[in-house]
Amino acid sequence: AQSVTQLDSQVPVFEEAPVELRCNYSSSVSVYLFWYVQYPNQGLQLLLKYLSGSTLVKGINGFEAEFNKSQTSFHLRKPSVHISDTAEYFCVARGSARQLTFGSGTQLTVLP
Amino acid sequence: EPEVTQTPSHQVTQMGQEVILRCVPISNHLYFYWYRQILGQKVEFLVSFYNNEISEKSEIFDDQFSVERPDGSNFTLKIRSTKLEDSAMYFCASSEGTGAAETQYFGPGTRLLVL
Repeated sequence: AQSVTQLDSQVPVFEEAPVELRCNYSSSVSVYLFWYVQYPNQGLQLLLKYLSGSTLVKGINGFEAEFNKSQTSFHLRKPSVHISDTAEYFCVARGSARQLTFGSGTQLTVLP
Repeated sequence: EPEVTQTPSHQVTQMGQEVILRCVPISNHLYFYWYRQILGQKVEFLVSFYNNEISEKSEIFDDQFSVERPDGSNFTLKIRSTKLEDSAMYFCASSEGTGAAETQYFGPGTRLLVL
């Protein structure tokens, strides 16, 4: 079974600064990895996903993530954040079964 | 853009009462899911549903829970006799059923409070 650990529960950052949200996973089998974002009062929206191939994955809104198998990490990055990026971000894993395994979430707060 | 919708957005009920949470998945999707998030905890998988039957379920999904697709558009989660610990945000999701590359699309959730 997979487990997902998000190392930071809250990340405050100033507007236009870079940000990295950290995620580690554990799995004994092949894993698919996702980042979802939840804006206030909205559903969970897919930012990006890693299935196989290139380890650098680009998503919507300028986000990208790098899959690192040796470190079992899938950190999310953005070079310059906006106020509108304030949201909760979830790192999610999926194995051969369809059920998704969620991390505990990271609240990103972008400060003016 | 098609989206998953859920009703109601909030529900308050008394312990022991039955509740039905409703979801309208994206119309051409074949798999449907329920997840829940108890306040301060992780989002947890409850159940997946395909071809009018449960395909996977977690340990949480015990006999007090049931799911149904009563018509061509709705997907429901019923909790027969609610407990205080059922208070949570319940998310519905759907997917096309194309395999590993597919995305699960989530609704905005129903916040259930059991008193």
